Amino acid sequence: DAKTTQPNSMESNEEEPVHLPCNHSTISGTDYIHWYRQLPSQGPEYVIHGLTSNVNNRMASLAIAEDRKSSTLILHRATLRDAAVYYCIPTRVGSNYKLTFGKGTLLTVNP
Amino acid sequence: DTGVSQNPRHKITKRGQNVTFRCDPISEHNRLYWYRQTLGQGPEFLTYFQNEAQLEKSRLLSDRFSAERPKGSFSTLEIQRTEQGDSAMYLCASSLNLDRGASPLHFGNGTRLTVT
Repeated sequence: DAKTTQPNSMESNEEEPVHLPCNHSTISGTDYIHWYRQLPSQGPEYVIHGLTSNVNNRMASLAIAEDRKSSTLILHRATLRDAAVYYCIPTRVGSNYKLTFGKGTLLTVNP
Repeated sequence: DTGVSQNPRHKITKRGQNVTFRCDPISEHNRLYWYRQTLGQGPEFLTYFQNEAQLEKSRLLSDRFSAERPKGSFSTLEIQRTEQGDSAMYLCASSLNLDRGASPLHFGNGTRLTVT
């Protein structure tokens, strides 16, 4: 499994954009990059995933570096409900069942 | 989509007792997973089913742990002779089986086990 490096914590203000970085320099060419988040007292929640191109969905955007060694999850306007631990998880095609979670980034959103 | 349901939400047991947790996945999902999460850590993979077949078990799953998915629908995770080190949140997840393997996992809210 590719190793990931994420900041332990980040802080943002409500309604401001948030950029959550992830380094995955040992990623394989066939690994997807998945992002999940975990709100307090809940199970993890899927956010977004991508392979090479930048991706957008209703929750967030994912910007993937050209060399795929890093990616950034972008929350366009943070809300208090976005306060959570965010996990970046490289996942091999055909084997995504075994997500390997690191410690993630704890995002605090200030009102 | 009623989501993944786990019961009970909390379980307190004495060391040495057996406990069983239940997971009801999203109905059309044929993959089911169990994870364990301790305080301050990310979830760790325990085991995985495709339909009723248990296809992989982590070495974290000692012989005191057993998981079943008898009809390819709900699943149970049993821990025999519980130890204090088993105290954790036990998470269940389900997903579709897509060829390219990028099907998101849908997690339940877990069962928190406390062994006293």
